[in-house]
Amino acid sequence: DAGVTQSPTHLIKTRGQHVTLRCSPISGHKSVSWYQQVLGQGPQFIFQYYEKEERGRGNFPDRFSARQFPNYSSELNVNALLLGDSALYLCASSSRQGANQPQHFGDGTRLSIL
Amino acid sequence: GIQVEQSPPDLILQEGANSTLRCNFSDSVNNLQWFHQNPWGQLINLFYIPSGTKQNGRLSATTVATERYSLLYISSSQTTDSGVYFCAVGLTGTASKLTFGTGTRLQVTL
Repeated sequence: DAGVTQSPTHLIKTRGQHVTLRCSPISGHKSVSWYQQVLGQGPQFIFQYYEKEERGRGNFPDRFSARQFPNYSSELNVNALLLGDSALYLCASSSRQGANQPQHFGDGTRLSIL
Repeated sequence: GIQVEQSPPDLILQEGANSTLRCNFSDSVNNLQWFHQNPWGQLINLFYIPSGTKQNGRLSATTVATERYSLLYISSSQTTDSGVYFCAVGLTGTASKLTFGTGTRLQVTL
């Protein structure tokens, strides 16, 4: 079975642009979470979606938004890109809602802002 | 928020050596996972271990939830074990949110 898949793998944007990142969870998983990992740090939680509803949000500005589709795939959107948004964006899926579910991560999208 | 600290921050081992990585957390948790992030950035799930002991080949992990710490043991280390090891915790009653520790950077040399 396929794991969590993310696209694109790499992306280069300039300041002020917007970007859309995509994630497909493991088959049968209904929860998708997004994390941002800047160089030298651990991943930071951005959003969690379960059954197409936002269930959790981290400390990120409103420029960050996400949604989940009926097939449980998800998109992360970032508007008005800043240099500080350069990071590895990771998507994780789990079978159910709740903090006690093991999370499985994709390979990430590496976003560079020029 | 919850604090998650890992030690040591950096570790250099010769191939074949054993090591113990530690994760301390400041609150009760109902999820604890250990991950290995390889040099290409892939985050590999090693253990889901909110309590107790598990073993998988050369790796094993123990979580003592009442004392708020977890240990990851690596035996007979290999160069492919190099990378950053993270523990991550989830709190009771929250969304599926993991809070990651500070990481331990491991380098295994020949």
